[in-house]
Amino acid sequence: AQSVTQLGSHVSVSEGALVLLRCNYSSSVPPYLFWYVQYPNQGLQLLLKYTTGATLVKGINGFEAEFKKSETSFHLTKPSAHMSDAAEYFCAVSENGNEKLTFGTGTRLTIIP
Amino acid sequence: GAVVSQHPSRVICKSGTSVKIECRSLDFQATTMFWYRQFPKQSLMLMATSNEGSKATYEQGVEKDKFLINHASLTLSTLTVTSAHPEDSSFYICSVWFSIVNEQFFGPGTRLTVL
Repeated sequence: AQSVTQLGSHVSVSEGALVLLRCNYSSSVPPYLFWYVQYPNQGLQLLLKYTTGATLVKGINGFEAEFKKSETSFHLTKPSAHMSDAAEYFCAVSENGNEKLTFGTGTRLTIIP
Repeated sequence: GAVVSQHPSRVICKSGTSVKIECRSLDFQATTMFWYRQFPKQSLMLMATSNEGSKATYEQGVEKDKFLINHASLTLSTLTVTSAHPEDSSFYICSVWFSIVNEQFFGPGTRLTVL
């Protein structure tokens, strides 16, 4: 069975500061890992994904994440926060590309002006 | 542009009535669609996998007779909440799996409020 843990249900950072959202996973097989962003009353938008290959993945809006197998982590980062980054962020895992996704509980990111 | 659409975006109904939510794949044929439920400030919980031309596969704890899923064409799946009650009030989101890119595309969601 696969699972995802997101540490910190709420994260606040100042505009221009580093954003770090944590995600740890468990999977019995090589995982596919995803980060999604959700704005209020909207569906989910894919930020980035890791399937195979390079462990540092770059996504949209300046976000990136690094797959660390030894730490079973896939933390999301952005060097400089922007006000428009305020949203809910979800980490998700699927096993071997199986389309069934398991989501973490989400992290609400607040940007302080 | 949007890849997946949902209709309606919001619906308010009385307790005991049934509500149908549509999920359309706009650009691609989709043999597999997913239905999720999201309660306020919580994560997405997979309810069922909708398979074109066959019965849906429901997750444990989801009542198949209450949440009827029909996937009659390669571009349309419907979720009908039968005899809705206030505890069914939630945000329902569908997604479409595109195997070519190993990615799910999500609809904008439907906010259901049962009075």
